[in-house]
Amino acid sequence: EAQVTQNPRYLITVTGKKLTVTCSQNMNHEYMSWYRQDPGLGLRQIYYSMNVEVTDKGDVPEGYKVSRKEKRNFPLILESPSPNQTSLYFCASSSTPGQGHWYEQYFGPGTRLTVT
Amino acid sequence: GQSLEQPSEVTAVEGAIVQINCTYQTSGFYGLSWYQQHDGGAPTFLSYNALDGLEETGRFSSFLSRSDSYGYLLLQELQMKDSASYFCAVRSRTGFQKLVFGTGTRLLVSP
Repeated sequence: EAQVTQNPRYLITVTGKKLTVTCSQNMNHEYMSWYRQDPGLGLRQIYYSMNVEVTDKGDVPEGYKVSRKEKRNFPLILESPSPNQTSLYFCASSSTPGQGHWYEQYFGPGTRLTVT
Repeated sequence: GQSLEQPSEVTAVEGAIVQINCTYQTSGFYGLSWYQQHDGGAPTFLSYNALDGLEETGRFSSFLSRSDSYGYLLLQELQMKDSASYFCAVRSRTGFQKLVFGTGTRLLVSP
């Protein structure tokens, strides 16, 4: 089954304690992206990756890091989480223009993060 | 920059037809996409308009007019399960990797 998985699904942590949210896709997609979703603000892009070792900032990258060492994995790293990073996080993947339904993004189930 | 505006909430009854609008301020984008998101769930892809005009997929249709900077999602024969949030989204031609979402419309379907 084609899917994007994220772990953990729920996480409560304290300010300053480093954490990693994992994301993995099994569709051989080149493009992967992280979003955060906050009430009234919709989905905002944090970081994206066009392929292995190619990453760049989205609209709200402050306080986050990513890496893309393998095509299937795209972890999101919060080195020193703060309460304003409390949010619902989604990982997504898609192919690139010229490849099938490139315009369709597949989203993971989401990770609800609370930073106290 | 790019911005996409949607009504915050729309209500309708089962069996009715509802239209969710998306107006945008952006130049040079690939096309307009629509996603559905149920409470507590992940966004799921509904439709994509690469060109101006109407695209139909079952009970759902989507429309794009680049000259009017406007698009809409049309839901027919509404069912209770259609109660969800709906987002329009565009990818810029100058930066394919950047996907910008609209503010989202919450659809409430009542019996």
